[in-house]
Amino acid sequence: QKEVEQDPGPLSVPEGAIVSLNCTYSNSAFQYFMWYRQYSRKGPELLMYTYSSGNKEDGRFTAQVDKSSKYISLFIRDSQPSDSATYLCAIEVGDKLIFGTGTRLQVFP
Amino acid sequence: DAGVTQSPTHLIKTRGQQVTLRCSPKSGHDTVSWYQQALGQGPQFIFQYYEEEERQRGNFPDRFSGHQFPNYSSELNVNALLLGDSALYLCASSYRNKNQPQHFGDGTRLSIL
Repeated sequence: QKEVEQDPGPLSVPEGAIVSLNCTYSNSAFQYFMWYRQYSRKGPELLMYTYSSGNKEDGRFTAQVDKSSKYISLFIRDSQPSDSATYLCAIEVGDKLIFGTGTRLQVFP
Repeated sequence: DAGVTQSPTHLIKTRGQQVTLRCSPKSGHDTVSWYQQALGQGPQFIFQYYEEEERQRGNFPDRFSGHQFPNYSSELNVNALLLGDSALYLCASSYRNKNQPQHFGDGTRLSIL
C-alpha cells in the first residue's frame, strides 16, 4: 500500500464549478499536510499548508483534513481556466515530503 | 525576493555520462532538498542537505550524490546515467527551525539518450 494515494483524474469541469480533489494516507503519525499546484513545465507551487484537522481557507481554496479517516481534500470554488494544472497532495514525514501522483484538472470556459 | 533557482533548465546526456545540477535556495532558507519527478508521477525524495551535510536520504542508489556550500546553495550529481534517470529534477528549500513548508524551483529537465 502506498503511503499517499491520490485520485489520478483527469478531471474536466466547466468554469465556475466547485472542484473537489482528494487524497488518503496510511500512517496516522503524519502531521503536516500540503497541497501544491503544478503548471506544465513548472515546479510545484505551494497552495495550502496545514497541520491540524478541520478546514483552512484561502480565497477560493479550502483545505480539509480528517485525521480520523486519514483523508485530505482541496476544494476550489468558482473554478477558472487559469486553475487548469496538476494538483499534488503532500505529507511531511521528518525531513521529506511524500507526494501523491497528482490529479490533472482542466477547467474549460 | 528571488525564489528557488535551478540551472540548467534542460540537459541532454547519453547513458554512462555524469551530470551536475545546481540550486540556489530562496533568500533566508538554509535547507535544500532534491526530488526526482518522472512523467505523470509525483516527486520522489532523493535527499536533503542542511549545514553542508546530508541529513536524510530516500530510496536512491549511491550514483546520486550531493553537496551543499556555505552559502546554502547545492548541487546534485548523478554518475553512470541510465535511461531511467530521465526526469524532472526539483530542488526545494526551507528554513529548518521554523516548521515552514518547502518551496520548489522550476526544475531541471534531464533527458538521457
